[in-house]
Amino acid sequence: AQKITQTQPGMFVQEKEAVTLDCTYDTSDQSYGLFWYKQPSSGEMIFLIYQGSYDEQNATEGRYSLNFQKARKSANLVISASQLGDSAMYFCAMRGAVNFGNEKLTFGTGTRLTIIP
Amino acid sequence: DSGVTQTPKHLITATGQRVTLRCSPRSGDLSVYWYQQSLDQGLQFLIQYYNGEERAKGNILERFSAQQFPDLHSELNLSSLELGDSALYFCASSVGGTFQGDTQYFGPGTRLTVL
Repeated sequence: AQKITQTQPGMFVQEKEAVTLDCTYDTSDQSYGLFWYKQPSSGEMIFLIYQGSYDEQNATEGRYSLNFQKARKSANLVISASQLGDSAMYFCAMRGAVNFGNEKLTFGTGTRLTIIP
Repeated sequence: DSGVTQTPKHLITATGQRVTLRCSPRSGDLSVYWYQQSLDQGLQFLIQYYNGEERAKGNILERFSAQQFPDLHSELNLSSLELGDSALYFCASSVGGTFQGDTQYFGPGTRLTVL
């Protein structure tokens, strides 16, 4: 079974600053995938970034990067140069070993990020 | 826009009633997943279909059922509704291959309110 822990219920960050959202995970699988999703107040879930457990480099997508530390079982999301539109809930999610029927995502409880002008 | 569509966007109904939520996956995606988001339970996986067949089951109540049709759209049926079923129901779709990077893209959700 997989477990995702997000310990920051809420964060306030000044516009244009970088922000790190924490995510730790627990699994006995050797192969797994880690995902981050953004949920604005409008409610939709927007995929941001993916990191595979065997990927040697940290994933990056525009202003988003994933600080993957396998030994610590952490997969923190870093948003550079934050913008007002970044205000939202952010969810870390995990997919376990790639087996038939084991493709579900397990989500953390989320972090509510508020960008202050 | 993820390319996943869900209807209706909002649904208000009474206890004991039955509703149907509909989802159309992204073009080319064979897997459809249903998730429930509630304040007390967070985001929970309900069920997955792949190319018309049930592939995995999560925390889905017996009062709930789903199916995927030949055109790959999916429906989630919720019956004998209770107040606690009020939640945001998401459909997600993915290519459905057994590779680690298979990303699930979410629809806008259906907000169900049971009165």
